[in-house]
Amino acid sequence: ELKVEQNPLFLSMQEGKNYTIYCNYSTTSDRLYWYRQDPGKSLESLFVLLSNGAVKQEGRLMASLDTKARLSTLHITAAVHDLSATYFCAVGARYNFNKFYFGSGTKLNVKP
Amino acid sequence: GAGVSQSPRYKVTKRGQDVALRCDPISGHVSLYWYRQALGQGPEFLTYFNYEAQQDKSGLPNDRFSAERPEGSISTLTIQRTEQRDSAMYRCASSLAGRAGSSYEQYFGPGTRLTVT
Repeated sequence: ELKVEQNPLFLSMQEGKNYTIYCNYSTTSDRLYWYRQDPGKSLESLFVLLSNGAVKQEGRLMASLDTKARLSTLHITAAVHDLSATYFCAVGARYNFNKFYFGSGTKLNVKP
Repeated sequence: GAGVSQSPRYKVTKRGQDVALRCDPISGHVSLYWYRQALGQGPEFLTYFNYEAQQDKSGLPNDRFSAERPEGSISTLTIQRTEQRDSAMYRCASSLAGRAGSSYEQYFGPGTRLTVT
C-alpha cells in the first residue's frame, strides 16, 4: 500500500520568513495534490501536479514534484498570518487515479 | 456553482443504532468518494463510485459499512450497529474523473461529524 509521509507535522514560523514542507511517498506515482484545511472547515484544493518536474505557484505558495525522488515540496515565501492552516498532500495511486492516499498533514502557524 | 454538500452536518447516535450519511456531489461529476478523517489526521479512503457503479470498496473497515449511489448522483454511506470507534468526520468528495483531460482532482464536502455514544 502506498504510504505518504509529510514533515514537519507542526511548523511555527514568523511572518516574513520562508519555509518548505516536504511530502514523501513510497511507490511510483506522478499525480500529487496539495490541499489546505482551515480549522473546522473542509479541504480546499491548492495545487495539482501531474508530471515529473511540475511546478505550480499561487501567491506566496509554490509546489513542485520530483517523481524520481518520490518527493513533493510546498514552499512558503514571506509567510503571512493568513497562511496559517493545515496543509495536506495526497498521492494518486499509479494504477487507479481515483484512489488518493493522504499524508498526516502539516499544521502551520504563522505568528505576527 | 454549488459545491459538494453533505447531510447531516452533525450526527449523535447511540451505540448499536444504524446511521445513514448523505452526499450530493457537484453537478456533472462522474466520480464520488467517501473518506473518514480522524482528528489530526489526513482523510482515509473508504470507497468510490463511477456513476452508479461501486468501483473500489477496499477501504471500508468491515461489513457494517456499506455505500450506494443508485442513480449515479446522490450517495449514501450506511453504518449498521454503530460502535464508539466509528466516531469520526466522514467526508465526501467528487470529481470529473474519467472525463477526457480530467486531472482527477477531488473536491471535498463539509463532512458529517459522527459521534457514537
